[in-house]
Amino acid sequence: SQQGEEDPQALSIQEGENATMNCSYKTSINNLQWYRQNSGRGLVHLILIRSNEREKHSGRLRVTLDTSKKSSSLLITASRAADTASYFCATSVQGAQKLVFGQGTRLTINP
Amino acid sequence: DTEVTQTPKHLVMGMTNKKSLKCEQHMGHRAMYWYKQKAKKPPELMFVYSYEKLSINESVPSRFSPECPNSSLLNLHLHALQPEDSALYLCASSRFGTGSSYEQYFGPGTRLTVT
Repeated sequence: SQQGEEDPQALSIQEGENATMNCSYKTSINNLQWYRQNSGRGLVHLILIRSNEREKHSGRLRVTLDTSKKSSSLLITASRAADTASYFCATSVQGAQKLVFGQGTRLTINP
Repeated sequence: DTEVTQTPKHLVMGMTNKKSLKCEQHMGHRAMYWYKQKAKKPPELMFVYSYEKLSINESVPSRFSPECPNSSLLNLHLHALQPEDSALYLCASSRFGTGSSYEQYFGPGTRLTVT
């Protein structure tokens, strides 16, 4: 099965609210990355957090990593309609030369 | 230039056709990837090229044949595909050979339909 599992699978909120997505994984990682994908298009890298980091910020994004629980969360503050997209976590697994993507969260921001 | 380009954007092919997908990057990245993505699913890795050499083949059927002519170009040759191969094919690149520790830059994808 996929290394990363995300929840919720779908999230619908009002513009201006905060959105939180969670990712869990199974084995030791080098880093965890979050990507955004607008409908039918390529993925865009949002943020990378290394295994020795606990929290990282980028603009309206805040990512946390808890290696003891093998989980990460992505918080988007003050959401905008343009944030409507699918969000994927991806883990860089120790000993492997590839990223493994979670199932994704489909986020809808309602105006 | 932080862009990965892919051509064509859309491709419709019959099961007996031979076609190729093309990917190009000019960021000096040394790892390039092909992914397959079905609707509402995450990308699935197909191939990884590291320093122009094939380093990972995720047990992809031989009807998909990758080629890396140089460090900027990646092709995916398609032959005798099945309807279930219809998907969005994504190309990506990353800075160094192993790739997994670095962010990946994705192209917009080729939407492939096999009839």
